[in-house]
Amino acid sequence: GESVGLHLPTLSVQEGDNSIINCAYSNSASDYFIWYKQESGKGPQFIIDIRSNMDKRQGQRVTVLLNKTVKHLSLQIAATQPGDSAVYFCAELTGGGNKLTFGTGTQLKVEL
Amino acid sequence: GAVVSQHPSWVICKSGTSVKIECRSLDFQATTMFWYRQFPKQSLMLMATSNEGSKATYEQGVEKDKFLINHASLTLSTLTVTSAHPEDSSFYICSASGGQGSWNQPQHFGDGTRLSIL
Repeated sequence: GESVGLHLPTLSVQEGDNSIINCAYSNSASDYFIWYKQESGKGPQFIIDIRSNMDKRQGQRVTVLLNKTVKHLSLQIAATQPGDSAVYFCAELTGGGNKLTFGTGTQLKVEL
Repeated sequence: GAVVSQHPSWVICKSGTSVKIECRSLDFQATTMFWYRQFPKQSLMLMATSNEGSKATYEQGVEKDKFLINHASLTLSTLTVTSAHPEDSSFYICSASGGQGSWNQPQHFGDGTRLSIL
C-alpha cells in the first residue's frame, strides 16, 4: 500500500555500539538484494549486497544476513560512527533485468 | 568508476513552467537508465525505465505526457516535467545501468535533483 504520510522508522544508537537494521521483502522469487545508504540531499550509496544462495556476507564493518524462509534481510553495522547517520534502504532485484524495488527505509541516528 | 552525474542539483521555478533534468553516465555506457521520485521521509519510487534509443516504460500511475523521458545516447537521459505544479515538487533521482563487470551494482545512482515549484 502507499506510505504517504508515514514517517521513516528511526533507530537511535550510541556511538561505538552495533546497529541492526531490518527489512522484510515480499517477493520470494527475488534472488539478489542490496543495502543502500542515503545521506540527506544525496542519492543512494551502495553498501553491500547478497545473493539468495547465501545466508551471510561481510564487508568492512557491515554484515548482511538473509533469511529466505521468512523473507527477512538485516544489516549489521559494527562500532557505529557519527558518519553512519543516514537513511538505510534495502532493495531487491525484481522483474528481470536490473529493476530494483526499494523498502521503506530506516533512519539511523548515532548519538555521541 | 561508474559515476552518474545529475544536473541541476536544485531548481526552483514557477507553476506552469517545464523543467528538464539531465542524467549522465560519465565513465560508462548506460544501456538502461531509471528515474525515481522520492518524497520527504519516504522511499524511492520508480517512475520509468528507459533504454537507449527506445521509448521509456512508465510505472503504473505515472503520466507519460507529464514526465517526458528521452534517452538519446548511451550516456545521457533527460526527464522533463511539463507544466509543473506544486504537487510535482519532489526529489528526483536517476540511475544508470550497463557498466561492465558490475553484477553487484545493477544501478549506479546520481545525487538527485530537488525540484521546488512555487
